[in-house]
Amino acid sequence: GDSVTQMEGPVTLSEEAFLTINCTYTATGYPSLFWYVQYPGEGLQLLLKATKADDKGSNKGFEATYRKETTSFHLEKGSVQVSDSAVYFCALSDRDDYKLSFGAGTTVTVRA
Amino acid sequence: DAGVTQSPTHLIKTRGQQVTLRCSPKSGHDTVSWYQQALGQGPQFIFQYYEEEERQRGNFPDRFSGHQFPNYSSELNVNALLLGDSALYLCASSLGPQGISYGYTFGSGTRLTVV
Repeated sequence: GDSVTQMEGPVTLSEEAFLTINCTYTATGYPSLFWYVQYPGEGLQLLLKATKADDKGSNKGFEATYRKETTSFHLEKGSVQVSDSAVYFCALSDRDDYKLSFGAGTTVTVRA
Repeated sequence: DAGVTQSPTHLIKTRGQQVTLRCSPKSGHDTVSWYQQALGQGPQFIFQYYEEEERQRGNFPDRFSGHQFPNYSSELNVNALLLGDSALYLCASSLGPQGISYGYTFGSGTRLTVV
């Protein structure tokens, strides 16, 4: 079945550092890929998405590129802020499917 | 424009009891999906309701059941609670069963603790 593997955390960074969270996936079809963010005490918020190979999703300075050849969707941000401290989830949804399959999540803490 | 509303926010139940969690979808959405998020893990899909029918189900036992009402709101029922059912239960709404195009909107969840 479909699955997502993402980099284990926790990740601790200083403000303005570069952030990368690795995500790889296994899917039988041609999935859409997502990054969701969960701030403390809140639900999940869609951060960005990509629906086909070589698409780049971007939002709030975060970027991720759908790499079909390496089955990856790594999340990057060039300069993190304290407000980026959260748990980040990589997820996929297959085209014939109604559900999202999530990775285990990566906790990111940014220190001033 | 209200987002997804879940109630209650927190709940404590005893093993063997039954629980009902409620979800009101975002305005304009007609589909509700339920997820279980255990501590330190990613959300796991329980089931999805569209047009008042269960459209897809994840790998959860029959103790987990649901319902969707004509106004698109939904309930998640769990019978014979186990300690392992302690988790954050998330509701996600979308326009249509496949939220790929228009996206899923998640609520803040109901924290269920089974003692």
